Amino acid sequence: KNEVEQSPQNLTAQEGEFITINCSYSVGISALHWLQQHPGGGIVSLFMLSSGKKKHGRLIATINIQEKHSSLHITASHPRDSAVYICAVRSGVRGGADGLTFGKGTHLIIQP
Amino acid sequence: DAGITQSPRHKVTETGTPVTLRCHQTENHRYMYWYRQDPGHGLRLIHYSYGVKDTDKGEVSDGYSVSRSKTEDFLLTLESATSSQTSVYFCAISEGQGLYNEQFFGPGTRLTVL
Repeated sequence: KNEVEQSPQNLTAQEGEFITINCSYSVGISALHWLQQHPGGGIVSLFMLSSGKKKHGRLIATINIQEKHSSLHITASHPRDSAVYICAVRSGVRGGADGLTFGKGTHLIIQP
Repeated sequence: DAGITQSPRHKVTETGTPVTLRCHQTENHRYMYWYRQDPGHGLRLIHYSYGVKDTDKGEVSDGYSVSRSKTEDFLLTLESATSSQTSVYFCAISEGQGLYNEQFFGPGTRLTVL
């Protein structure tokens, strides 16, 4: 069973700061997902990656397969980025049909 | 947004009663999943389906059953609800068999078992 650890659990920062959220997992994976959950509860997929780096707007996700580690960065953070960020991995068993294993999430608050 | 709805969105029930949650999709995606989200645990997989009438257990399947008689609907049943099943339940869908397909999540159902 894959163990997914996120750090920090909670993060409060000022608007404009560069934010980094980390994710480590214990077993080799086929893909890693970063998700965002807003206070209203809805979950949105931000990135899915299996190697290297992806960028979308102010968000950047990187993964190091050898070190079993991924980071999510937010540049020029804004109060609307306040949310819970969740890392999840897919191990590849049964062709990936068997769902994701999730970290417990990082609760991010960006203060104006 | 992916077309996923869950019903009901909120439910309060009593211990020992049966409860069925419905997930409905309009995307014709093959794979469907039920997760529960609890403080301190994150999201955990209950059951999943890889096609009509094809389902399998996830990490926390005890006390739950599922059915999928049509591509668009995936039902989660608590045969006899217990207080430990108080949670927020999320349905998710995924398009294909490839390992790299995104999962799209429904809005969630908040279930309280008294």
